[in-house]
Amino acid sequence: AQTVTQSQPEMSVQEAETVTLSCTYDTSENNYYLFWYKQPPSRQMILVIRQEAYKQQNATENRFSVNFQKAAKSFSLKISDSQLGDTAMYFCAFMRYNNNDMRFGAGTRLTVKP
Amino acid sequence: EADIYQTPRYLVIGTGKKITLECSQTMGHDKMYWYQQDPGMELHLIHYSYGVNSTEKGDLSSESTVSRIRTEHFPLTLESARPSHTSQYLCASSETNYYGYTFGSGTRLTVV
Repeated sequence: AQTVTQSQPEMSVQEAETVTLSCTYDTSENNYYLFWYKQPPSRQMILVIRQEAYKQQNATENRFSVNFQKAAKSFSLKISDSQLGDTAMYFCAFMRYNNNDMRFGAGTRLTVKP
Repeated sequence: EADIYQTPRYLVIGTGKKITLECSQTMGHDKMYWYQQDPGMELHLIHYSYGVNSTEKGDLSSESTVSRIRTEHFPLTLESARPSHTSQYLCASSETNYYGYTFGSGTRLTVV
């Protein structure tokens, strides 16, 4: 079974600074997808960024980028120029190519301080 | 606008009551899911559907049931609510694995 581990229950960062959220996963599969989701307080969970395991290049979406280390089974999220609106729970998730079941980590609560 | 809707957002009910949590999506997605989320915990899959008349139980043992009579509608029912059912319930849908899931805003259920 696949497991996803987020070792940082809570983090904080000053506005405009950079923060990195950690995620590791365990799988014997070679082909899969990885995702980071953002869940603001009392609001809808939204997709931040995705990575396909067969792609070596790290995904980037504006201020959000990942550091994907396939051999180490690590998938960290870097948020640059943090904004107050980035305050949220962040969930790392794993999904196999041929399976529709998405596995989530326990989440990291990020607070951006003014 | 294409989206996924959950109602109600908040619900407080007494033990033993029957309740149905509604989930509807306007994107035409075949795959739909129900997750249970407790504070500070990961999401646990309780039910999923790959299309009309297709429903399966997820990893987390649940006393709830689901139905999928129409593509856009995936309601979850608790026949007899208990305090242990107090949690947030998230509905999601997907088109393909590449795009991940689209989530609803969730229903926060409290059973007293």
